[in-house]
Amino acid sequence: GQQLNQSPQSMFIQEGEDVSMNCTSSSIFNTWLWYKQDPGEGPVLLIALYKAGELTSNGRLTAQFGITRKDSFLNISASIPSDVGIYFCAGQLYQGAQKLVFGQGTRLTINP
Amino acid sequence: GAGVSQSPSNKVTEKGKDVELRCDPISGHTALYWYRQSLGQGLEFLIYFQGNSAPDKSGLPSDRFSAERTGGSVSTLTIQRTQQEDSAVYLCASSLAGPNNEQFFGPGTRLTVL
Repeated sequence: GQQLNQSPQSMFIQEGEDVSMNCTSSSIFNTWLWYKQDPGEGPVLLIALYKAGELTSNGRLTAQFGITRKDSFLNISASIPSDVGIYFCAGQLYQGAQKLVFGQGTRLTINP
Repeated sequence: GAGVSQSPSNKVTEKGKDVELRCDPISGHTALYWYRQSLGQGLEFLIYFQGNSAPDKSGLPSDRFSAERTGGSVSTLTIQRTQQEDSAVYLCASSLAGPNNEQFFGPGTRLTVL
């Protein structure tokens, strides 16, 4: 089946630093999504990308939908303690497809 | 308003026993999904319900897994003759119908098979 390769698997940074993570796929996706999961909770949607080449921001978060439709990145600027958690990328194969294919996650730890 | 709720939050069972996991979607959401998250992994799609349409069961890993959705609302995921490899967090999500509608996730049920 389809797989998304997400990297890095974990990050240990200082508060205030910028963070970058990315996902690649061997398959083309028509939608890319980025989620954050806190311990004991379900994932929460951060950013949705619907068009190849699209660059979208949500506060300190910026994400891009790769032009080949096979990759995406998420940047977090000026990290703060509440950014700690696990970040997942997810792809939808085609518009209207309900299945999401998830990456393995990036665990972000912030040293104050 | 209330989000997606799941019960129980934790379930410990013995190998070979059957378990039922429950999901209450957000009111008015006609689409409902089940995912499985193994330790340190991403989410794996299991099954999807949309209205009265036949469910998409393509993600169910074996015939020991089944799910139903009664009255277009509450859903139950049943795992028969549980195995240790079934241990995972089972997450339910719901959304409005139509493309590009956000899936809202519940907190999950952590299943441990001894």
